[in-house]
Amino acid sequence: AQSVAQPEDQVNVAEGNPLTVKCTYSVSGNPYLFWYVQYPNRGLQFLLKYITGDNLVKGSYGFEAEFNKSQTSFHLKKPSALVSDSALYFCAVRDIYGNNRLAFGKGNQVVVIP
Amino acid sequence: EAGVTQFPSHSVIEKGQTVTLRCDPISGHDNLYWYRRVMGKEIKFLLHFVKESKQDESGMPNNRFLAERTGGTYSTLKVQPAELEDSGVYFCASSQGRNTIYFGEGSWLTVV
Repeated sequence: AQSVAQPEDQVNVAEGNPLTVKCTYSVSGNPYLFWYVQYPNRGLQFLLKYITGDNLVKGSYGFEAEFNKSQTSFHLKKPSALVSDSALYFCAVRDIYGNNRLAFGKGNQVVVIP
Repeated sequence: EAGVTQFPSHSVIEKGQTVTLRCDPISGHDNLYWYRRVMGKEIKFLLHFVKESKQDESGMPNNRFLAERTGGTYSTLKVQPAELEDSGVYFCASSQGRNTIYFGEGSWLTVV
């Protein structure tokens, strides 16, 4: 079975500071990893994904994530946070050769303080 | 190009009533999924269609939930009769094959 852990409930960061949202995963095979963001009262919006290749992947709105196989992690990062980045962030994983079902983490509320 | 669209966006119904949620996937996407997030918990998989066939419905919580995808286009998810614990947001998503899964805005259901 595949699973995701997002250890922090809420991440507070000052505007302009680096933002990191942590994610670790567990799959039986090779992972297919995603980050989604949910702005208030909106749906899930795709940010970025990792399949194979370069461990550092770049996505929308200046976000990037680094795949670390040895640590089974896929942390989301942004060099300089904006107030508009305040939202709920979800990490998700599926087995690249398994079914299409995504397993989500519980989500992290990010609060960017002006 | 339109994204995944869901209707209604919000619904408030009484316990015991029926609600039907509709999802229109991105045009050309053969895979359609339903997920839900209840009471601030994790987003959970409900089921997966490939065209009109149910590929995986192992996440459906009980027989009060019925999903259909007639003709392999739009899908409906019916909850009958609704219970209080069914309150939450129901997300529909679609993908072309095993590519990126895109989600809709969600249908926010409140059962009172």
